[in-house]
Amino acid sequence: AQKITQTQPGMFVQEKEAVTLDCTYDTSDPSYGLFWYKQPSSGEMIFLIYQGSYDQQNATEGRYSLNFQKARKSANLVISASQLGDSAMYFCAMREGFTGYSTLTFGKGTMLLVSP
Amino acid sequence: SAVISQKPSRDICQRGTSLTIQCQVDSQVTMMFWYRQQPGQSLTLIATANQGSEATYESGFVIDKFPISRPNLTFSTLTVSNMSPEDSSIYLCSVGSPAAAMNTEAFFGQGTRLTVV
Repeated sequence: AQKITQTQPGMFVQEKEAVTLDCTYDTSDPSYGLFWYKQPSSGEMIFLIYQGSYDQQNATEGRYSLNFQKARKSANLVISASQLGDSAMYFCAMREGFTGYSTLTFGKGTMLLVSP
Repeated sequence: SAVISQKPSRDICQRGTSLTIQCQVDSQVTMMFWYRQQPGQSLTLIATANQGSEATYESGFVIDKFPISRPNLTFSTLTVSNMSPEDSSIYLCSVGSPAAAMNTEAFFGQGTRLTVV
């Protein structure tokens, strides 16, 4: 079974609107972390936001927020006030275990296109 | 946060040849990871490289094809050997947080975009 599922291959949004990118996960480990990365056409992986399994509040970083619903095992990324520069591939990833040295498992990604 | 320099950023190689990708970190880290991203796909872990020991390879990846060196705590190389067009991918190195804390990002290099012709 896939550990990270991103069901939206592509999303379209107009500039200045908000968009939600979906991510569901599967783990039996009580300690885990959820990450979102942005990958522009250049190929680099840019860290956006992190949510820990024990965090009580949803994570926020500027225009990015994470809608964390633990019972549903979902960690959707919300981008507010979309900008043209937000057009990129977005990956949800999970790290299981206690330390920062365990590896990340990635979803298949969602391509976001922001139009003027 | 760690700064990772990866090179080359891109290369076009002939089939049957080998390419070595370098990954340099600005701080000492225990573990470094190598990922492959085939065109239109997600990232797949190739191996985990610890300093002073053999790399640990994931299922489907073997040392003869992807030899890895880890001579010190700030540097690692991945070689793609005897390349074929199927090896055309983006290769990325990453490190765990030097603080080994759960709630920190995995830092990535800029990636190496490899095309095999």
